[in-house]
Amino acid sequence: GNSVTQMEGPVTLSEEAFLTINCTYTATGYPSLFWYVQYPGEGLQLLLKATKADDKGSNKGFEATYRKETTSFHLEKGSVQVSDSAVYFCALTRGGAQKLVFGQGTRLTINP
Amino acid sequence: NAGVMQNPRHLVRRRGQEARLRCSPVKGHSHVYWYRQLPEEGLKFMVYLQKENIIDESGMPKERFSAEFPKEGPSILRIQQVVRGDSAAYFCASSPDQRGSHNEQFFGPGTRLTVL
Repeated sequence: GNSVTQMEGPVTLSEEAFLTINCTYTATGYPSLFWYVQYPGEGLQLLLKATKADDKGSNKGFEATYRKETTSFHLEKGSVQVSDSAVYFCALTRGGAQKLVFGQGTRLTINP
Repeated sequence: NAGVMQNPRHLVRRRGQEARLRCSPVKGHSHVYWYRQLPEEGLKFMVYLQKENIIDESGMPKERFSAEFPKEGPSILRIQQVVRGDSAAYFCASSPDQRGSHNEQFFGPGTRLTVL
């Protein structure tokens, strides 16, 4: 079946550090890939997405590239801020099913 | 533009009671999804509905859980005879009526259910 595996957390960094959160997936065919962010006490917000191989999604300084050869969609940011502290979820949809399959989430804490 | 609305935001029930969770999708969206998030876990798909139809309920427990999305009004997730293991955050998402598999899902703030 389809699945998403994320780097285990929690991750703690200092402000202005470089961030990588790893995400790999298992799916038949060509899924669409997403990163969602969840701030404390809130629902999920779409951060970025990529719908085909080699696409790069980007938003708010975050980037992720759809790598079919390594079945990965790692999230990166060059310089994190305290306001980036949240839980990050990697997810995919496959074909016409439309349901999102989520990874387990990675809690990120940025210290000033 | 109102986003996805869920109510109540917090719901406390005693074991054996019924829980009824409501979701109003983004105006004009006809696809609704329900997900459950257990403490310190990711979200798990429960059910996908279009107006008056259940499209995919493969993630829904076979007993005590039901969902509907009537022609008029919000989508309802109903849990009968709740047990402590039902304590979780329940999120609703909606997407527009477009063909294809890449539609963004817009999430509501969730309902946090606590079963005493």
